Amino acid sequence: DAGITQSPRYKITETGRQVTLMCHQTWSHSYMFWYRQDLGHGLRLIYYSAAADITDKGEVPDGYVVSRSKTENFPLTLESATRSQTSVYFCASSESGGAQPQHFGDGTRLSIL
Amino acid sequence: SQELEQSPQSLIVQEGKNLTINCTSSKTLYGLYWYKQKYGEGLIFLMMLQKGGEEKSHEKITAKLDEKKQQSSLHITASQPSHAGIYLCGAGTSYNFNKFYFGSGTKLNVKP
Repeated sequence: DAGITQSPRYKITETGRQVTLMCHQTWSHSYMFWYRQDLGHGLRLIYYSAAADITDKGEVPDGYVVSRSKTENFPLTLESATRSQTSVYFCASSESGGAQPQHFGDGTRLSIL
Repeated sequence: SQELEQSPQSLIVQEGKNLTINCTSSKTLYGLYWYKQKYGEGLIFLMMLQKGGEEKSHEKITAKLDEKKQQSSLHITASQPSHAGIYLCGAGTSYNFNKFYFGSGTKLNVKP
């Protein structure tokens, strides 16, 4: 089925570990986004990508790394996880950057102990 | 930063009642999106509004955009338990929509 999938759905890890969250979309959308959702802060943009090999920072990029070697994949890496990065992470994609809705995955619930 | 303010933060209504959720921007709106989120799930796109004065409806949900007031409203008519969830507004801060902000959400419960 076409769509946007995130993996894993749930992850528990320890501080200092490297964690990679995966996002895959089958629509060939140009734009992809990573958000984190926290109580009291709502959804905040971490990074986005306009096309393969083009990425840019969002509102809260510190502590995260992204790459986009292929249009359909947009992994998010926490190089050295901290407790403050415990959150629910959502990936989204859109056909273009303007005037097109973003379509969201089901999220990854990440707990850092 | 709270670029988009939603009100109310939470709402409990009796089934069959109408309700309105507001979303106000501190910056010029280049368009506005409404999403619904069920607990533990992703966001589902509801509607997109681009022009001032634009109004769109889907089933019993109507959204309007007042560009002058930098505000949008989402109105649900004859609410049902299936309408329960968190409603979020989102908007870009530039015409290209390359940077996107969301409101903090309005939690809706509908009592049968």
